[in-house]
Parts: sequence; structure tokens; C-alpha cells
Amino acid sequence: EIVMTQSPATLSVSPGERATLSCRASQSVTSNLAWYQQKPGQAPRLLIYGASTRATGIPARFSGSGSGTDFTLTISSLQSEDFAVYYCQQYNNWPLLTFGGGTKVEIK
Amino acid sequence: EVQLLESGGGLVQPGGSLRLSCAASGFTFSSYVMSWVRQAPGKGLEWVSSITGSGGTTYYADSVKGRFTISRDNSKNTLYVQMNSLRAEDTAVYYCAKKGSTTVTTGLGNWFDPWGQGTLVTVSS
Repeated sequence: EIVMTQSPATLSVSPGERATLSCRASQSVTSNLAWYQQKPGQAPRLLIYGASTRATGIPARFSGSGSGTDFTLTISSLQSEDFAVYYCQQYNNWPLLTFGGGTKVEIK
Repeated sequence: EVQLLESGGGLVQPGGSLRLSCAASGFTFSSYVMSWVRQAPGKGLEWVSSITGSGGTTYYADSVKGRFTISRDNSKNTLYVQMNSLRAEDTAVYYCAKKGSTTVTTGLGNWFDPWGQGTLVTVSS
């Protein structure tokens, strides 16, 4: 099983600031990585797939980068609606799909 | 618009059974791998099970293998999971999710998009 580790667990950021979230895989997942946003009481929503491709309707302030074992989700200028929990998911090792433990982005 | 609507959750005693359903609309259901993903209260996401578009091949996490059975009825555009021998640790919100990629190769492009709203399963005496 590929273990996905996200850091930090909690990120305190002021609105308008940049947020940088990290996801590390225990072995290479090439570019087969997705990012999701989850707000309280809601289902996860796809943000990024293929490590860097934004899903339909996702604002340009969200960007993904990385390949192999190290990945980053960057939110360039945090809006009030961006405070949420973010998860990464590898889909390289089908069918054993695994998620990171999540990073909570909270208001500073 | 793609929509996924889960149902069937509830309170069940340890050792009991429950069947969840996920009604799909807005896409060619039989063309997509479908999956169940769960989230224990206050915890992260855990992939549970997936099924190919034809229903001919199924996949399970070790934590549920032998207890859960995923299936689908393509004539009804509905995904199911039969959960037997339920344990307290199976308590979670269960989401159904559609394969995000349009690639026909089963093992490729398996991100999830979209997700249903989830249904809560509570296993407790």
C-alpha cells in the first residue's frame, strides 16, 4: 500500500495570503495524484488531477505541482470560501487507492 | 449534470447487515468504474470498494474484504454495497463516487469526480 502523508495537519492563514500544502507518497506515484477540498458537512470536491490539471470550474488561484513522491497544492490568495480540509489521493497503484490524512486550512 | 444520491444508511447493531444504494444520473452509468469511499467521524477518507462498468470485476480494501459486496444494476443506474458482519469501526459516512477520467482502461485515471452527498452508517449496540 502506498502511504500518503500530508503536512502540515493544520495551516493558519489570513485571507488574501498564499497557502502551500504538501503531500508526500511513500513510493513514486508518477503524476497520478488528485487533490480534493472538503467543507464541513459536505462531500469532497475534486480540485486537481494529474498532479497539476485543474478540474472543471476550479478557480485559477488553485494550482498543483510535483511528480514522483512530492506534491504541492498552492492557493495563491485565500478567499473566505477556501477555508476547508484538503486531501490528496494517489491513483497510481490501482486498485489500492489511498488518501492523505488531510490538511485543515483555517483562518488566522 | 452528473448526480449521485446515496441512501440506505442508518443505525445497525454489531454483526448486522445493511445495504446502501447510490442512484446515478446525468452520465452513461455503465461506462464508468464506480466506487465507495468512507469517512469515519472526524477522520480522513478511506477507499472501500470499486466495480468496473460492466460489473464483472470488483475490488475491495482489506478492511472490508469478505464482508462487503459491491454490485451495480446498469438498467437502473444504481450502485450498491451490501455490508455484512458490521463492526463498530465501520461507522462512517459512505460516499459513492464516479471515476473522474473518461479513459476506458480500468486501471487508469481513477480519481473521483463527482461524489454523492453521503449516507451515515452507525454500528452500535
